[in-house]
Amino acid sequence: SQQGEEDPQALSIQEGENATMNCSYKTSINNLQWYRQNSGRGLVHLILIRSNEREKHSGRLRVTLDTSKKSSSLLITASRAADTASYFCATVLPYGGATNKLIFGTGTLLAVQP
Amino acid sequence: DTEVTQTPKHLVMGMTNKKSLKCEQHMGHRAMYWYKQKAKKPPELMFVYSYEKLSINESVPSRFSPECPNSSLLNLHLHALQPEDSALYLCASSQGGGTGRYEQYFGPGTRLTVT
Repeated sequence: SQQGEEDPQALSIQEGENATMNCSYKTSINNLQWYRQNSGRGLVHLILIRSNEREKHSGRLRVTLDTSKKSSSLLITASRAADTASYFCATVLPYGGATNKLIFGTGTLLAVQP
Repeated sequence: DTEVTQTPKHLVMGMTNKKSLKCEQHMGHRAMYWYKQKAKKPPELMFVYSYEKLSINESVPSRFSPECPNSSLLNLHLHALQPEDSALYLCASSQGGGTGRYEQYFGPGTRLTVT
């Protein structure tokens, strides 16, 4: 399977704390993306980091990428109850034309306690 | 408009029924996707349309039949489903890799229950 692995599978923290989740993948990549999914809803794209980037920030999100280790991490700082969701990393397999296939990781379920 | 819409939100159908799921986007995206997601699992790709042509079929059973009537619309026709097909069905769209834009925009999903 090409599926990536994420850890931890589940994470429970208090509001205001930082949350870190990790992703490992198997193939060489062009870019890696992170998505959030609130319970039973669609996925929301959070951030994309390209293979020639090592770190990227967006608001309270910080993503790192280590292509030599085939791993990435997502840090959410100063977490809020509204951050409670599942988080998925995804790598891209280009197919040509307009088609890109996302290979999702197994996901981390984050619970932020008020 | 950065929204992907899906109808219906919920669908309950018997194993002999025929129903359709609908998806619409008005972002000018040229690729549209159907995913199936079981509880506590990542989405699994089912089909991809690129420029209104089927470009990927992930060996999906023929009881699922996709259709792309135009660049904004994507349908998934369902017939003779099994209880194990009960899942959240997600539609997504993207601009396409040639533009350097790889992110996908997802709809809210259709929760399907097969009885």
